[in-house]
Amino acid sequence: TQLLEQSPQFLSIQEGENLTVYCNSSSVFSSLQWYRQEPGEGPVLLVTVVTGGEVKKLKRLTFQFGDARKDSSLHITAAQTGDTGLYLCAGARASGSRLTFGEGTQLTVNP
Amino acid sequence: NAGVTQTPKFQVLKTGQSMTLQCAQDMNHEYMSWYRQDPGMGLRLIHYSVGAGITDQGEVPNGYNVSRSTTEDFPLRLLSAAPSQTSVYFCASSYSAGSLEQYFGPGTRLTVT
Repeated sequence: TQLLEQSPQFLSIQEGENLTVYCNSSSVFSSLQWYRQEPGEGPVLLVTVVTGGEVKKLKRLTFQFGDARKDSSLHITAAQTGDTGLYLCAGARASGSRLTFGEGTQLTVNP
Repeated sequence: NAGVTQTPKFQVLKTGQSMTLQCAQDMNHEYMSWYRQDPGMGLRLIHYSVGAGITDQGEVPNGYNVSRSTTEDFPLRLLSAAPSQTSVYFCASSYSAGSLEQYFGPGTRLTVT
């Protein structure tokens, strides 16, 4: 059983469209992270959220941590082909504890 | 800084062979870890280390050994390779166990036939 469930698993959209990726759990996390991974490379950290209800923006990417700290979302506005990649969420149950990763959302942005 | 480096990039083994995946970091990070990535399963923690001389098991440790004799290096040993160990392996490091930012290496793609 996956502790962190990501949806959708695959997403293919056209350049310029908006999209939202979800990361859900029945457990509470002290912090949650989003990574992006490109083919043949390791994941790269995009953002960390630690407060329930927190919203962080990174250019066209908006990250939100649920009020109850059990879920998170990643919204991309006006997607570009360079946004193509595997998006992973990862959570820590307590400060200093090991990260648990979701299975990832494979995003393809077509020109 | 090179960050986190891993060698080799690709490896093919026969069932029963042993090998060591190398991982090194030059950021003086205390915490290092090994993950495997399989389709549809995300990243799963194999072993981790909170400092030189200290290692512990993660979620899927069976069939793997680690050691941490220096801060910089954290090799992963496959004792007797099995086809179930075909995967992409990532090494990661962070300043400390409580640090929220992990830096990942480029990965080693291992195939066991």
